Amino acid sequence: AQKITQTQPGMFVQEKEAVTLDCTYDTSDQSYGLFWYKQPSSGEMIFLIYQGSYDEQNATEGRYSLNFQKARKSANLVISASQLGDSAMYFCAMRERPGSNYQLIWGAGTKLIIKP
Amino acid sequence: DSGVTQTPKHLITATGQRVTLRCSPRSGDLSVYWYQQSLDQGLQFLIQYYNGEERAKGNILERFSAQQFPDLHSELNLSSLELGDSALYFCASSVASGVASSGNTIYFGEGSWLTVV
Repeated sequence: AQKITQTQPGMFVQEKEAVTLDCTYDTSDQSYGLFWYKQPSSGEMIFLIYQGSYDEQNATEGRYSLNFQKARKSANLVISASQLGDSAMYFCAMRERPGSNYQLIWGAGTKLIIKP
Repeated sequence: DSGVTQTPKHLITATGQRVTLRCSPRSGDLSVYWYQQSLDQGLQFLIQYYNGEERAKGNILERFSAQQFPDLHSELNLSSLELGDSALYFCASSVASGVASSGNTIYFGEGSWLTVV
């Protein structure tokens, strides 16, 4: 079963508009962490934002915010005022604790293209 | 700049050969992770080390091995290379290996592009 689901394989968005990238997750753990990463065409994996399962406030980092809805197991990334440089693949990932191991579980990613 | 350094950035080698990828984690980070990203399989977790000891193993082939040295840098050794091993190999690091605290953000290096011909 998919642990991380990103339902949008690709998105086109007009520059300066806000963007919401969807992510739902599945875990029975009470303690887990959710991450968003950006991967531009150059290949590097850039950390954007983190949300812990016990954090009551939604995480924000500059233009990025995470809309965390714990009961719905949803962790959507919101990018405000999109820019051309935001065009990239975006991955949602979860870190849970199966047994004694701590691993990142990745979604399939969403390819975001910002149109001028 | 994430602070995680990987070398080499690009590598082209022939089938059957052996290569070593090197990673220096961020200053203060004790955990090192290796991931493989290929076009057809996405991001695959290979292995994790914490303070010199193997902590978790993922989909790492027997032809691949890794270690973390006392100075915390890590090496991933890939041997008897096949065409299907061509991929982007990431090293990542974090302060600890716990789960739900902000100190456990995982930072990635820029990756090593391996092409097997």
